[in-house]
Amino acid sequence: NAGVTQTPKFRVLKTGQSMTLLCAQDMNHEYMYWYRQDPGMGLRLIHYSVGEGTTAKGEVPDGYNVSRLKKQNFLLGLESAAPSQTSVYFCASSYLAEGLNNEQFFGPGTRLTVL
Amino acid sequence: AQSVTQPDIHITVSEGASLELRCNYSYGATPYLFWYVQSPGQGLQLLLKYFSGDTLVQGIKGFEAEFKRSQSSFNLRKPSVHWSDAAEYFCAVGAYNTDKLIFGTGTRLQVFP
Repeated sequence: NAGVTQTPKFRVLKTGQSMTLLCAQDMNHEYMYWYRQDPGMGLRLIHYSVGEGTTAKGEVPDGYNVSRLKKQNFLLGLESAAPSQTSVYFCASSYLAEGLNNEQFFGPGTRLTVL
Repeated sequence: AQSVTQPDIHITVSEGASLELRCNYSYGATPYLFWYVQSPGQGLQLLLKYFSGDTLVQGIKGFEAEFKRSQSSFNLRKPSVHWSDAAEYFCAVGAYNTDKLIFGTGTRLQVFP
């Protein structure tokens, strides 16, 4: 049981390049999330998904796109990277439980630098 | 709007000393409250959570937190800190039957021998 995994762990991009970050979970969780973490700002939600085939915008969605084609995978795309997207990206997942706000399980993070 | 405030950006304690990390939240309904810990270069790990019931919650690694509705607080405590507790700690708030958490900006804990 690997939990939540993220690929890649590190990446350096040039401005304008594109890339996709992959998140995978093997816990059969319904909900998945993408956050970015910047110094002094905590975690900010980029996009999230409440089930296969669904996505929704979070707090800071601009410049990112996501897809949830399979329940276990949640992809985060940067179409044209900008230096402001230099950050550490975390994926998380949680289970669906009626009446509860659900504990989120986090991946190890992807450190992205945009030059 | 929901919000979480962690007033202390950085705290330094000596090993063996007691610890209290502050967390204040703003939310109109009964909150669901969480404390996560992030070791350097790692993802976030849940320390403890409060949904309802006893307002003093026990977590992993010897941590506890107390929910005080009158003060809108959920402070994290540990009676004796170990060097391995050096990390960043995040408080988070959610709401009944919703799918998102709001995180505080974190408190970095440094432990001196």
